[in-house]
Amino acid sequence: GAVVSQHPSRVICKSGTSVKIECRSLDFQATTMFWYRQFPKQSLMLMATSNEGSKATYEQGVEKDKFLINHASLTLSTLTVTSAHPEDSSFYICSAYRRETQYFGPGTRLLVL
Amino acid sequence: TQLLEQSPQFLSIQEGENLTVYCNSSSVFSSLQWYRQEPGEGPVLLVTVVTGGEVKKLKRLTFQFGDARKDSSLHITAAQPGDTGLYLCADAGNNRKLIWGLGTSLAVNP
Repeated sequence: GAVVSQHPSRVICKSGTSVKIECRSLDFQATTMFWYRQFPKQSLMLMATSNEGSKATYEQGVEKDKFLINHASLTLSTLTVTSAHPEDSSFYICSAYRRETQYFGPGTRLLVL
Repeated sequence: TQLLEQSPQFLSIQEGENLTVYCNSSSVFSSLQWYRQEPGEGPVLLVTVVTGGEVKKLKRLTFQFGDARKDSSLHITAAQPGDTGLYLCADAGNNRKLIWGLGTSLAVNP
């Protein structure tokens, strides 16, 4: 149990376009999900906390208009990278919170050309 | 602000060797979690430790939590190539958020 999926697993887009990443908890409901960004061989950097039915809470330095988060249901949160640029290229990971534990998705590799 | 330091940052060993990696906090852990992350995947929780002095074993992995709850170690016996990955420690008691260490990148060569 406690499986989290992400879609897509890998995406390549042109600079200036927007990209949507989905995070789903497959076998449980999660009122709280988290979005992280990770660079190669580095630790996870928390971007925002996604709360079902309310606005996301962003970490300091993360632009909320750049990284739009929608937690529309208890099993789905989406992260939209708007007007993506090459510096947005990274590995994006989500997690869903349940019973004092975060369960992580497999990640989405974004490459902006 | 709590800071978690992990050492070593990088480690490359031969299959069959033993190794220990460390996680030290600037303040007392609420609860400590160890994760392993393989390349291109999300982190996977290995263990949660809460009590000072606690020792937990997971097959060839032994986790120790310091008496003062400010440090922890992960020991791997007879490492295998499948142990390759990024080992991350995290404090799990910060209002559902995790405070992460910078990780130890382990490569086990056949």
